[in-house]
Amino acid sequence: SQQGEEDPQALSIQEGENATMNCSYKTSINNLQWYRQNSGRGLVHLILIRSNEREKHSGRLRVTLDTSKKSSSLLITASRAADTASYFCARWGNAGNMLTFGGGTRLMVKP
Amino acid sequence: GAVVSQHPSRVICKSGTSVKIECRSLDFQATTMFWYRQFPKQSLMLMATSNEGSKATYEQGVEKDKFLINHASLTLSTLTVTSAHPEDSSFYICSVGHLTDNSPLHFGNGTRLTVT
Repeated sequence: SQQGEEDPQALSIQEGENATMNCSYKTSINNLQWYRQNSGRGLVHLILIRSNEREKHSGRLRVTLDTSKKSSSLLITASRAADTASYFCARWGNAGNMLTFGGGTRLMVKP
Repeated sequence: GAVVSQHPSRVICKSGTSVKIECRSLDFQATTMFWYRQFPKQSLMLMATSNEGSKATYEQGVEKDKFLINHASLTLSTLTVTSAHPEDSSFYICSVGHLTDNSPLHFGNGTRLTVT
């Protein structure tokens, strides 16, 4: 079941621009994870942010977490055409036995 | 990290036939594997949790007699879509991970099933 919402559902930008995707969730978390999915492929884990962290960086990726608002954002800086993919946030269920995904953002980076 | 091999990557079958999808964990002993289904331009929906040596746990609305899961070893889980119908056409993805620490999952590359 989907426990999070993401916006925008689709985003189209030019190469070099930054892309920001947002994720909201409803219940408490231990951590929140972001994944990337190229068209017709499986998911690849990008970054995990714990509930006691507010910001995390990995290369051109920056993730923020606001537990008071139950929201997270993923920023991709200096985007490249190869960043074109769908991006999903995900969290473990309260029982810690399943990973549920947000609706995803389809990002298109035009060269 | 764990490498997950899933095959076939693509299968086309006729309505009424059964299709088996394999998911292998190549370097990770997986007591638990997850099976997801994804319709076009939608998110992943968990179908079932596959437990090594015991019965799978199915999500609400997923027919266990239609989607047979076998997890006979720590490295292999199979999903069999029995008597497939066109509405079963979808993208099926398996994943592997530890349940103990809420760590990230490792995903196979998915299987595109088309039922004609």
